[in-house]
Amino acid sequence: SAVISQKPSRDICQRGTSLTIQCQVDSQVTMMFWYRQQPGQSLTLIATANQGSEATYESGFVIDKFPISRPNLTFSTLTVSNMSPEDSSIYLCSVRHPNEKLFFGSGTQLSVL
Amino acid sequence: GDSVTQMEGPVTLSEEAFLTINCTYTATGYPSLFWYVQYPGEGLQLLLKATKADDKGSNKGFEATYRKETTSFHLEKGSVQVSDSAVYFCALSDRGYNKLIFGAGTRLAVHP
Repeated sequence: SAVISQKPSRDICQRGTSLTIQCQVDSQVTMMFWYRQQPGQSLTLIATANQGSEATYESGFVIDKFPISRPNLTFSTLTVSNMSPEDSSIYLCSVRHPNEKLFFGSGTQLSVL
Repeated sequence: GDSVTQMEGPVTLSEEAFLTINCTYTATGYPSLFWYVQYPGEGLQLLLKATKADDKGSNKGFEATYRKETTSFHLEKGSVQVSDSAVYFCALSDRGYNKLIFGAGTRLAVHP
């Protein structure tokens, strides 16, 4: 299995600021993903974090709003930029283990005032 | 596009009751189907999966059968326990597991 450490677990932020969420995995993984879960809604894929190249974003998500870094095979960050109350969500890191299983971090609960 | 629809919650049951959480999907091709569970304060965990029609996934007493004819993957358990209280998500992915599409989640509360 893969153990994922996601930080912070929760934060309360002011409108217009930015927050960077970290995802650390205890083993090298090929694929890392970032999801968002808005209140009362399902999880939605934001982007795939590619090691050594730019992230691949899903429709409706852009790099300027959600810049992603993936400097190596065990670490990624997601930044939520210029936040508004609509960004209040749970953000989850996910990884695809070499055994093809997908694992999730415990999430970052973000509230924007 | 591909989508997953699951029954709305919350579902409230007494211990030892029978559980069914309905899940239907819309997809092109032949997706893999999953049930994930999120216990309070924890991350999502894979509960079970099925990769082709008529496959039955099972784990911890939970079962779900991939029904292509009805595009369904309903989750069942014969006798729930208080410790099963959690949010359950139905999901599908393409063969490469490159993208998961989730249902809205169903919260289950089991009372003694």
